[in-house]
Amino acid sequence: AQTVTQSQPEMSVQEAETVTLSCTYDTSESDYYLFWYKQPPSRQMILVIRQEAYKQQNATENRFSVNFQKAAKSFSLKISDSQLGDAAMYFCAYNVGNFGNEKLTFGTGTRLTIIP
Amino acid sequence: DAGVIQSPRHEVTEMGQEVTLRCKPISGHDYLFWYRQTMMRGLELLIYFNNNVPIDDSGMPEDRFSAKMPNASFSTLKIQPSEPRDSAVYFCASSVGRGNTGELFFGEGSRLTVL
Repeated sequence: AQTVTQSQPEMSVQEAETVTLSCTYDTSESDYYLFWYKQPPSRQMILVIRQEAYKQQNATENRFSVNFQKAAKSFSLKISDSQLGDAAMYFCAYNVGNFGNEKLTFGTGTRLTIIP
Repeated sequence: DAGVIQSPRHEVTEMGQEVTLRCKPISGHDYLFWYRQTMMRGLELLIYFNNNVPIDDSGMPEDRFSAKMPNASFSTLKIQPSEPRDSAVYFCASSVGRGNTGELFFGEGSRLTVL
């Protein structure tokens, strides 16, 4: 079974600084998708960034970027120029992407605090 | 476009009562998922549907839980009888399936408290 591990229950960063959230996963598949979701206090899960395993280039979305290390099965999220609105729970998630197996497996989350 | 719509947003009930949570997925999405979130267990997939048909219900905790999707625009998750350990936030999510690379769109969740 696929598993997703987030070893940092909590992280904090000064506003405008950079922070990296860690995620590792375990899979025997060669083709899959990885995601970072953000859950603010409003509770709704929002997609931050997505990475296809077959792509070597790391995904980037504005201030958010990932460091995808396929051999190490590592998928970290870097947030640059942290803003107060970035405060939330962040979940790493995995999807094997095979037809008929669309479910996401989530890590346990990292609570990010932004210090003004 | 409206996102995934869940109701109720909050539900407080007493042990033994029946609870029904509702979800309207995004129009055109052919996958629907029910997740449960607790502090102890994080986000757990309970069940998911494809074209209104249940595909994987292995996460449903026990027979007290049941889910239906009578049509493409509506799903329910029912707990009968409810127990205090069912207290959690229940999320519904939908996706467009193939060609979508797995992104799920979530509702705002239904917070259930069973006393």
